[in-house]
Amino acid sequence: DAKTTQPPSMDCAEGRAANLPCNHSTISGNEYVYWYRQIHSQGPQYIIHGLKNNETNEMASLIITEDRKSSTLILPHATLRDTAVYYCIVRPGTSGTYKYIFGTGTRLKVLA
Amino acid sequence: DTAVSQTPKYLVTQMGNDKSIKCEQNLGHDTMYWYKQDSKKFLKIMFSYNNKELIINETVPNRFSPKSPDKAHLNLHINSLELGDSAVYFCASSHPAGGGSKDTQYFGPGTRLTVL
Repeated sequence: DAKTTQPPSMDCAEGRAANLPCNHSTISGNEYVYWYRQIHSQGPQYIIHGLKNNETNEMASLIITEDRKSSTLILPHATLRDTAVYYCIVRPGTSGTYKYIFGTGTRLKVLA
Repeated sequence: DTAVSQTPKYLVTQMGNDKSIKCEQNLGHDTMYWYKQDSKKFLKIMFSYNNKELIINETVPNRFSPKSPDKAHLNLHINSLELGDSAVYFCASSHPAGGGSKDTQYFGPGTRLTVL
Protein backbone atom coordinates (compact mmCIF):
# COMPACT_ATOMS: atom_id res chain seq x y z
CA ASP A 1 0.00 0.00 0.00
CA ALA A 2 1.05 3.56 -0.66
CA LYS A 3 2.48 5.41 2.32
CA THR A 4 0.92 8.65 1.15
CA THR A 5 -2.57 10.11 0.98
CA GLN A 6 -3.64 12.84 -1.43
CA PRO A 7 -6.95 14.49 -2.29
CA PRO A 8 -8.46 12.80 -5.35
CA SER A 9 -8.95 15.98 -7.34
CA MET A 10 -8.35 19.74 -7.39
CA ASP A 11 -9.10 22.62 -9.70
CA CYS A 12 -6.90 25.65 -10.25
CA ALA A 13 -7.36 28.77 -12.35
CA GLU A 14 -4.82 29.30 -15.09
CA GLY A 15 -2.05 31.63 -13.97
CA ARG A 16 -2.68 31.03 -10.30
CA ALA A 17 -0.55 28.92 -7.98
CA ALA A 18 -1.57 25.29 -7.61
CA ASN A 19 -0.91 23.88 -4.14
CA LEU A 20 -1.11 20.10 -3.97
CA PRO A 21 -0.97 18.56 -0.48
CA CYS A 22 0.32 15.15 0.51
CA ASN A 23 0.20 13.38 3.86
CA HIS A 24 2.96 10.92 4.74
CA SER A 25 2.60 10.62 8.49
CA THR A 26 4.54 7.33 8.73
CA ILE A 27 7.58 8.58 6.85
CA SER A 28 10.92 7.40 8.23
CA GLY A 29 13.97 9.56 8.84
CA ASN A 30 15.83 8.42 5.74
CA GLU A 31 12.88 8.48 3.34
CA TYR A 32 12.66 11.04 0.59
CA VAL A 33 9.49 12.60 -0.77
CA TYR A 34 9.21 12.44 -4.56
CA TRP A 35 6.64 14.05 -6.81
CA TYR A 36 5.73 12.83 -10.27
CA ARG A 37 2.96 13.72 -12.65
CA GLN A 38 1.25 11.82 -15.43
CA ILE A 39 -0.24 13.80 -18.26
CA HIS A 40 -3.05 11.85 -19.88
CA SER A 41 -1.59 8.36 -20.45
CA GLN A 42 2.03 9.40 -20.91
CA GLY A 43 4.82 8.03 -18.75
CA PRO A 44 5.13 9.54 -15.26
CA GLN A 45 7.31 12.63 -15.32
CA TYR A 46 9.66 13.47 -12.49
CA ILE A 47 9.00 16.87 -10.92
CA ILE A 48 10.96 17.30 -7.70
CA HIS A 49 12.05 15.57 -4.54
CA GLY A 50 13.25 16.46 -1.04
CA LEU A 51 14.26 15.10 2.33
CA LYS A 52 13.90 17.84 4.95
CA ASN A 53 14.50 21.20 3.37
CA ASN A 54 12.23 23.00 0.98
CA GLU A 55 13.28 22.58 -2.62
CA THR A 56 12.73 24.56 -5.80
CA ASN A 57 13.49 23.85 -9.42
CA GLU A 58 12.33 25.15 -12.76
CA MET A 59 9.09 23.21 -12.55
CA ALA A 60 7.90 23.56 -8.98
CA SER A 61 8.58 24.11 -5.30
CA LEU A 62 8.32 21.50 -2.58
CA ILE A 63 7.47 22.53 0.96
CA ILE A 64 8.03 19.87 3.63
CA THR A 65 6.71 20.45 7.14
CA GLU A 66 9.17 20.45 9.99
CA ASP A 67 7.88 17.13 11.33
CA ARG A 68 8.03 15.77 7.74
CA LYS A 69 4.56 14.28 8.04
CA SER A 70 3.21 16.25 5.13
CA SER A 71 4.35 18.21 2.11
CA THR A 72 2.96 20.55 -0.52
CA LEU A 73 3.88 20.74 -4.17
CA ILE A 74 3.51 24.24 -5.55
CA LEU A 75 3.18 25.03 -9.23
CA PRO A 76 3.65 28.81 -9.09
CA HIS A 77 1.81 29.79 -12.26
CA ALA A 78 -0.34 26.90 -13.45
CA THR A 79 -1.00 26.56 -17.16
CA LEU A 80 -3.43 24.35 -19.05
CA ARG A 81 -0.54 21.99 -19.80
CA ASP A 82 -0.17 21.32 -16.07
CA THR A 83 -3.46 19.42 -16.09
CA ALA A 84 -2.41 15.94 -14.97
CA VAL A 85 -2.47 13.39 -12.17
CA TYR A 86 0.13 14.26 -9.54
CA TYR A 87 1.67 11.51 -7.43
CA CYS A 88 3.45 11.91 -4.12
CA ILE A 89 5.77 9.00 -3.27
CA VAL A 90 8.06 8.23 -0.35
CA ARG A 91 11.08 5.98 -0.72
CA PRO A 92 14.24 5.15 1.23
CA GLY A 93 17.26 7.30 0.61
CA THR A 94 19.94 4.66 1.10
CA SER A 95 21.71 3.19 -1.87
CA GLY A 96 19.91 0.35 -3.58
CA THR A 97 17.03 -0.54 -5.81
CA TYR A 98 13.66 0.50 -4.50
CA LYS A 99 10.23 0.24 -5.97
CA TYR A 100 8.00 3.25 -6.16
CA ILE A 101 4.58 2.61 -4.67
CA PHE A 102 2.13 4.86 -6.43
CA GLY A 103 -1.11 5.84 -4.74
CA THR A 104 -4.15 7.18 -6.51
CA GLY A 105 -2.68 10.67 -6.84
CA THR A 106 -4.44 14.02 -7.25
CA ARG A 107 -6.07 14.85 -10.53
CA LEU A 108 -5.34 18.53 -11.10
CA LYS A 109 -7.46 20.36 -13.60
CA VAL A 110 -6.27 23.79 -14.65
CA LEU A 111 -9.17 25.93 -15.79
CA ALA A 112 -8.96 28.65 -18.44
CA ASP B 1 17.79 12.52 -27.36
CA THR B 2 18.63 10.92 -24.03
CA ALA B 3 15.60 9.01 -22.83
CA VAL B 4 13.84 5.80 -22.02
CA SER B 5 12.21 4.40 -25.13
CA GLN B 6 9.76 1.56 -25.62
CA THR B 7 8.56 -0.36 -28.64
CA PRO B 8 5.94 -0.85 -29.75
CA LYS B 9 3.76 2.02 -28.58
CA TYR B 10 0.58 0.05 -29.26
CA LEU B 11 0.15 -3.70 -29.33
CA VAL B 12 -3.11 -5.43 -30.19
CA THR B 13 -3.17 -9.21 -30.13
CA GLN B 14 -5.36 -12.25 -29.60
CA MET B 15 -5.68 -14.26 -26.41
CA GLY B 16 -3.17 -17.06 -26.19
CA ASN B 17 -0.49 -15.34 -28.25
CA ASP B 18 3.05 -14.62 -27.07
CA LYS B 19 4.37 -11.09 -27.38
CA SER B 20 7.36 -8.98 -26.35
CA ILE B 21 7.80 -5.35 -25.42
CA LYS B 22 11.24 -3.79 -25.70
CA CYS B 23 12.77 -1.07 -23.57
CA GLU B 24 16.00 0.81 -24.04
CA GLN B 25 17.60 3.60 -22.05
CA ASN B 26 20.59 5.70 -23.02
CA LEU B 27 20.89 7.51 -19.71
CA GLY B 28 23.76 5.33 -18.53
CA HIS B 29 21.62 3.91 -15.72
CA ASP B 30 22.27 0.48 -14.31
CA THR B 31 18.79 -0.34 -13.04
CA MET B 32 15.64 -0.80 -15.06
CA TYR B 33 12.02 -1.47 -14.09
CA TRP B 34 8.71 -2.58 -15.53
CA TYR B 35 5.45 -1.14 -14.22
CA LYS B 36 1.88 -2.00 -15.17
CA GLN B 37 -0.97 0.50 -15.21
CA ASP B 38 -4.36 -1.14 -15.39
CA SER B 39 -7.70 0.25 -16.54
CA LYS B 40 -8.32 1.80 -13.13
CA LYS B 41 -5.06 3.73 -13.55
CA PHE B 42 -3.25 2.02 -10.68
CA LEU B 43 0.48 1.98 -11.43
CA LYS B 44 2.29 -1.02 -9.94
CA ILE B 45 5.83 -2.29 -10.22
CA MET B 46 6.39 -5.71 -11.74
CA PHE B 47 10.14 -6.24 -11.99
CA SER B 48 13.47 -4.55 -11.51
CA TYR B 49 16.88 -5.47 -12.88
CA ASN B 50 20.21 -4.11 -11.69
CA ASN B 51 23.18 -4.80 -13.95
CA LYS B 52 21.23 -7.60 -15.64
CA GLU B 53 20.38 -9.20 -12.30
CA LEU B 54 16.77 -9.56 -11.12
CA ILE B 55 16.33 -7.48 -7.95
CA ILE B 56 12.60 -6.98 -7.57
CA ASN B 57 10.01 -9.54 -8.60
CA GLU B 58 6.52 -8.72 -7.46
CA THR B 59 3.67 -11.21 -7.52
CA VAL B 60 3.44 -11.50 -11.26
CA PRO B 61 2.29 -14.61 -13.19
CA ASN B 62 5.21 -16.60 -14.51
CA ARG B 63 3.83 -16.01 -18.00
CA PHE B 64 5.69 -12.71 -17.70
CA SER B 65 9.42 -13.06 -18.16
CA PRO B 66 11.76 -10.08 -18.19
CA LYS B 67 15.02 -10.38 -20.03
CA SER B 68 17.97 -8.01 -19.76
CA PRO B 69 20.61 -8.61 -22.44
CA ASP B 70 22.65 -5.68 -21.15
CA LYS B 71 22.34 -2.73 -18.77
CA ALA B 72 20.67 -0.56 -21.37
CA HIS B 73 17.88 -2.96 -22.29
CA LEU B 74 15.08 -4.67 -20.40
CA ASN B 75 12.54 -6.55 -22.48
CA LEU B 76 9.27 -8.01 -21.28
CA HIS B 77 8.05 -11.24 -22.81
CA ILE B 78 4.50 -12.38 -22.12
CA ASN B 79 3.34 -15.91 -22.90
CA SER B 80 -0.23 -17.08 -23.40
CA LEU B 81 -1.74 -13.62 -23.22
CA GLU B 82 -5.00 -13.23 -21.31
CA LEU B 83 -7.70 -10.55 -21.40
CA GLY B 84 -6.56 -9.32 -17.99
CA ASP B 85 -3.12 -8.52 -19.35
CA SER B 86 -4.58 -5.56 -21.21
CA ALA B 87 -2.93 -2.51 -19.70
CA VAL B 88 -0.29 0.12 -20.29
CA TYR B 89 3.21 -1.10 -19.49
CA PHE B 90 5.86 1.41 -18.52
CA CYS B 91 9.59 0.91 -18.44
CA ALA B 92 11.77 3.04 -16.16
CA SER B 93 15.43 3.36 -15.31
CA SER B 94 17.51 4.79 -12.49
CA HIS B 95 21.00 4.90 -11.08
CA PRO B 96 20.65 3.72 -7.47
CA ALA B 97 24.38 3.30 -7.03
CA GLY B 98 24.41 7.04 -6.67
CA GLY B 99 22.62 6.65 -3.37
CA GLY B 100 20.68 9.21 -1.44
CA SER B 101 18.65 11.47 -3.64
CA LYS B 102 20.23 10.32 -6.87
CA ASP B 103 17.93 7.35 -7.39
CA THR B 104 15.36 9.15 -9.48
CA GLN B 105 13.42 6.91 -11.82
CA TYR B 106 12.78 8.09 -15.37
CA PHE B 107 9.89 6.55 -17.25
CA GLY B 108 9.34 5.63 -20.85
CA PRO B 109 6.25 6.64 -22.86
CA GLY B 110 4.44 3.37 -22.28
CA THR B 111 3.16 0.49 -24.40
CA ARG B 112 -0.59 0.05 -24.58
CA LEU B 113 -1.35 -3.66 -24.80
CA THR B 114 -4.83 -4.75 -25.83
CA VAL B 115 -5.70 -8.44 -25.71
CA LEU B 116 -8.79 -9.42 -27.68
